[in-house]
This record gives sequence, structure tokens and C-alpha cells, in this order.
Amino acid sequence: QLQLQESGPGLVRPSETLSLTCIVSGGPISTNGHYWGWIRQPPGRGLEWIGAIYNSGNLHYNPSLKSRVTISADTSKNQFFLRLNSMTAADTAIYFCAKSGGGADTIEYWGQGTLVTVSS
Amino acid sequence: QSVLTQPPSVSAAPGQKVTISCSGSSSNIGSHFVSWYQQLPGAAPKLLIYQNDKRPLEIPDRFSGSKSGTSGTLGITGLQTGDEADYYCVTWDSSLIAVAIGGGTKLTVL
Repeated sequence: QLQLQESGPGLVRPSETLSLTCIVSGGPISTNGHYWGWIRQPPGRGLEWIGAIYNSGNLHYNPSLKSRVTISADTSKNQFFLRLNSMTAADTAIYFCAKSGGGADTIEYWGQGTLVTVSS
Repeated sequence: QSVLTQPPSVSAAPGQKVTISCSGSSSNIGSHFVSWYQQLPGAAPKLLIYQNDKRPLEIPDRFSGSKSGTSGTLGITGLQTGDEADYYCVTWDSSLIAVAIGGGTKLTVL
């Protein structure tokens, strides 16, 4: 059974860069055709897709975040990463990592999510 | 502001049926599959429906999906109090070259 677990700081200062890791167990992230992505959810609000990496290096990003986001992966560690720079209070959210198969929109597996608060 | 429009809330009595709509355009629902997710309070979303009308094995057949033109619909029959959750539609958008997620619909089982 595939499992995903987010890891990273719970508090980030304004203007700093958020770095999150998704630790994947139960299957390789190197499998072609699978998307490894990030979705976030501000408190009390809806889901927002951030982006995904697939086929070991191809990327898609949400256009509204593209200038600030970098997603990467380390297949040797079976982990993938999110970096979001120039953080503001509007970036306060629960960040989920997720795996899609058969299309980036078919999100089969989700991490439990990690709350990131932007505050000084 | 999402490119997919869902009603903010729906409600129905236990045992009844409810439908949740998801309206898009030719660049998203009109040319791509729709999937649906259930998010119970305090939990991560869970895949309910993929490729418009397919259910993962563990999802009961009380949940169904359909697509017509640029709209998708999630149906839930035999409503239970445990179905109270937020529901999201998701698809690919060819213009955005990104995944699009609807604003979410809160289901209340009265």
C-alpha cells in the first residue's frame, strides 16, 4: 500500500522560502505515467492545486503560483519536494502531497497534510 | 477563483438522493475526464469517482458520476450522516495546462 508523508516546518517567516518533503513508501516514484504533486488548502477554504512532477522530471505548475514554485524529486531517496518562495500570510495552508495515476487529475493517494503558518 | 463552478452547499434528508454539479468549459470538462473527491472534516480528500463515472473498488455504488458536455455531476443515494463532507470536482485544463479544482460543495444531511 502506497503511503505519503509530508515533512517540513510548521512556521515560516514572511518573505522566506517554504521547503517541504514528501516521503513515499510502498512504491517507486520513478514509475512512468505517475504524477507526484502538491495541493494546498487555506484554513476553512477550498483546495488549490500547486503542481506536479512526472516521468522523473517533467513539470506542470499552477499558473498563479508558477513564478514562486519549484517541484523536484530524488528517486534514490523516493522523495519529492516543494519549494515556495516569497511566502506571505496568504500562503498559510495545509499542504498535501499526493500521487496521481492515469492522469494528473486522478489523485489516488494523499498524504495526511501538514499545516504551514506564515507569521513573524 | 476556480474555472470550475460548484454550488457552495447542498442538503437533503437521510436516505434521500442528492446531486452536485460541476460546470466548466470546453478547455477543461468539455475535453477531459472529471474526478470527484470527498473530504471529511479534518481529513485528507479521498477519491470517489475518476474518469467521469468509475469508482475505486472500495467506494460503494451509492456514489455515481456522470458527464455531459461541459458539466459533471456527482450523485449520492441513500444519504447517511457520515456522508456529510465537502465534495470537490477536479479535471485537467488545456488552456491553463494545469489541474483545475472546483470551489467545493458542502453536503449537509439534515
